Amino acid sequence: QTVVTQEPSFSVSPGGTVTLTCGLTSGSVSTSYYPSWFQQTPGQAPRTLIYSTNTRPSGVPDRFSGSILGTKAALTITGAQADDESDYYCVLYMPSAIWVFGGGTKLTVL
Amino acid sequence: QVQLQQSGPGLVKPSQTLSLTCAISGDSVFSNSAAWNWIRQSPSRGLEWLGRTYYRSKWYNDYAVSVKSRIIINADTSKNQFSLQLKSVTPEDTAVYYCARDRDWNYDYWGQGTLVTVSS
Repeated sequence: QTVVTQEPSFSVSPGGTVTLTCGLTSGSVSTSYYPSWFQQTPGQAPRTLIYSTNTRPSGVPDRFSGSILGTKAALTITGAQADDESDYYCVLYMPSAIWVFGGGTKLTVL
Repeated sequence: QVQLQQSGPGLVKPSQTLSLTCAISGDSVFSNSAAWNWIRQSPSRGLEWLGRTYYRSKWYNDYAVSVKSRIIINADTSKNQFSLQLKSVTPEDTAVYYCARDRDWNYDYWGQGTLVTVSS
């Protein structure tokens, strides 16, 4: 079974730029996988930052952006702030019409 | 404004059936552009999509491979809600369970989450 991969952890300096990725153990991620990105803080439901590769819901700051980089989906945070320190998850829509989440990336801002 | 309100027991015995309901306000379970999902989260398994139901002239369901033999997701059209039944639970099914709306590939509304513990 194909697994969705994410970096377990990442760190970024305040004001810096970081790119988190979302890949597959077999194959490449394309826009046909409709990748979404979520931010989650403890005790809260996930919050959508990006959906359908690069669409930002209203209210999400434009320093969050999504793209396809090579064989993976990517979430870029530009000008990282202290309150960006969170867990980030991606989800992909598989050809079999099911969604599969990645294992999440714990982002530290320091 | 769409709201999803979850209800159901927080404790289920091993081998029994976990049952949760998600009441929808501000939208219809018959929506032709939405799907109604169940997702769970545990420290050991992270976020795990379980399945969905949606209406496109008739009802459709999709289920995750990991639970396909044990899960049923149904819409209750008279109450504008949908439900999750997970049979033969084990302690591995202990998790926070969320319902969520997916509209045009966007998981835009979530329920408040329900911690379900499987224990005797």
